[in-house]
Amino acid sequence: EPEVTQTPSHQVTQMGQEVILRCVPISNHLYFYWYRQILGQKVEFLVSFYNNEISEKSEIFDDQFSVERPDGSNFTLKIRSTKLEDSAMYFCASSELDLAPEAFFGQGTRLTVV
Amino acid sequence: DQQVKQNSPSLSVQEGRISILNCDYTNSMFDYFLWYKKYPAEGPTFLISISSIKDKNEDGRFTVFLNKSAKHLSLHIVPSQPGDSAVYFCAASANNQGGKLIFGQGTELSVKP
Repeated sequence: EPEVTQTPSHQVTQMGQEVILRCVPISNHLYFYWYRQILGQKVEFLVSFYNNEISEKSEIFDDQFSVERPDGSNFTLKIRSTKLEDSAMYFCASSELDLAPEAFFGQGTRLTVV
Repeated sequence: DQQVKQNSPSLSVQEGRISILNCDYTNSMFDYFLWYKKYPAEGPTFLISISSIKDKNEDGRFTVFLNKSAKHLSLHIVPSQPGDSAVYFCAASANNQGGKLIFGQGTELSVKP
């Protein structure tokens, strides 16, 4: 069964450093997303991406964040200068259509900022 | 931002009985609703969804009911099995928002043998 894969599973970084989280969405899906879950809180939408551009972003997704689809398979989330409060599980997801938004999630990357 | 609310943080059910998980929403623009199941250290797994033009959708042991006038949906699992023990998230989407999902806080279901 096709699945969304994310690397790395766990990333520890120092405050102020840049991190890149990587995802390979399901191959025939057109919509790509990043969500995060801070420990003990709910899953929060960060950004959606379609046709090589951002289609929607949340207030969390400020200038420190960027997304890119550098080739035909990868989808990345970059945090330019990490803060302690960026520590969270980051989930990549993809869906076939926005009108039937059953998004399929990866297993997540645990980001720890120290 | 409490557009999607799951007011019960936990639920305990005996194996074989029905589990009912509830979800309320406030945004009348939501037109698609989904339930996800999540185990610790894993991503959410899609379970079942329902469009706002329907009031019920069934898939095996899982049934989702939507009451638009009350802005309420529920997930019924029958019969419940120990393997159903997980955190269940309700999520909602509006069709003009590029597939963005708004999640509830989750309900931890424990099914006891």
